[in-house]
Amino acid sequence: QSALTQPASVSGSPGQSITISCTGTSSDVGNYNYVSWYQQHPGKAPKLMIYEVTNRPSGVSNRFSGSKSGNTASLTISGLQAEDEADYYCSSYTSSSTLSLFGTGTKVTVL
Amino acid sequence: QVQLQESGPGLVKPSQTLSLTCIVSGGSINSGDYYWSWIRQHPGKGLEWIGYIYYSGSTYYNPSLKSRVTISIDMSKNQFSLKLSSVTAADTAVYYCASSDYNSSEKIDSWGQGTLVTVSS
Repeated sequence: QSALTQPASVSGSPGQSITISCTGTSSDVGNYNYVSWYQQHPGKAPKLMIYEVTNRPSGVSNRFSGSKSGNTASLTISGLQAEDEADYYCSSYTSSSTLSLFGTGTKVTVL
Repeated sequence: QVQLQESGPGLVKPSQTLSLTCIVSGGSINSGDYYWSWIRQHPGKGLEWIGYIYYSGSTYYNPSLKSRVTISIDMSKNQFSLKLSSVTAADTAVYYCASSDYNSSEKIDSWGQGTLVTVSS
């Protein structure tokens, strides 16, 4: 299984907006609206932040939003806060496997 | 949302079998809404699917681990289990049980807290 490609790190100052990309292929991100995003703080389990590209589970701040263009999905965090400093992973359905794909992970740093 | 809790030994000797159990609460494991999943994370690394099981007993495994993995389900105890045989140091990781959406396995809405398993003599 090949992983989806994410930047290793993204940083921003409090109050700014940042965007994390997640690049796949036409077998996964490009042809299916089944992309999720997870936030993981150190020593904690991942938490679902976005599903089906744009949907937020109940309780997730509306500062988190998702989108997709072609083979690349994106997670945008608006009004960056210190508590947003964490690792973020994307995941996508793939027609190539019965298991979905995870992204390589992005460390978000709040400056 | 269900709640999940892993249990099992934190230390396993090389060549032995790693065995973990995940207790499901707040919902029934025979719900057709979820795949009951195992995911691991090597220290400082990303997430890796191990596999999952559906309430019917159907299983799906990561091809890279398939020859060593067994996931089973016990409806009477509302729990599911992972066995990974012939472990090596490369299997040292945090192991998570999780529930992923039946309609799309990339949507994992509940996770256990994770349990660190170290493979060492």
